[in-house]
Amino acid sequence: DTAVSQTPKYLVTQMGNDKSIKCEQNLGHDTMYWYKQDSKKFLKIMFSYNNKELIINETVPNRFSPKSPDKAHLNLHINSLELGDSAVYFCASSSDARSYNEQFFGPGTRLTVL
Amino acid sequence: KNQVEQSPQSLIILEGKNCTLQCNYTVSPFSNLRWYKQDTGRGPVSLTIMTFSENTKSNGRYTATLDADTKQSSLHITASQLSDSASYICVVSGGSYIPTFGRGTSLIVHP
Repeated sequence: DTAVSQTPKYLVTQMGNDKSIKCEQNLGHDTMYWYKQDSKKFLKIMFSYNNKELIINETVPNRFSPKSPDKAHLNLHINSLELGDSAVYFCASSSDARSYNEQFFGPGTRLTVL
Repeated sequence: KNQVEQSPQSLIILEGKNCTLQCNYTVSPFSNLRWYKQDTGRGPVSLTIMTFSENTKSNGRYTATLDADTKQSSLHITASQLSDSASYICVVSGGSYIPTFGRGTSLIVHP
């Protein structure tokens, strides 16, 4: 059984479009995250939700809007896509927001904006 | 400003050899330091985590060390295997929820 799953795995789209990436975890965790990994493999945290409440919002353009309908899901919607949004986006979850807890990562969504 | 610096940026070794990856940080206050392994096309997977009071921790052929005084950590890989080819990322957490990630070391193990 997949612990943290993301869909789609690949997303190719034109500049200006709006797209969503979905994430689900079946670990019973309270906290979920979105990360962006650029072409140089640098992972950068974007958002974190704990029990459906936003607790981390790291100076991400407001074109990016996370939504957590319940503890097991954290979706990422991106408006007006730009070339610089091309990256791999990872979802992760942990049992709670304390930093000691291991984060379990999904397989990633490779977004390519043309 | 909290920073995590990793070295070397990339490393190529022969199968069976040992290697050591370095991580220096300026995160303060310090809570814990974790090493992740990221295979190509996959998400990172945790290898070890250490808190202030721990100075070494092993996970199979992986041994991490921590010197909280000098703010340095190392990840030693013993008897490398082809499957060790991956990116190794050092992550340091401090007083907030937000971890600080290093840029990773890319390790290639050749047969």
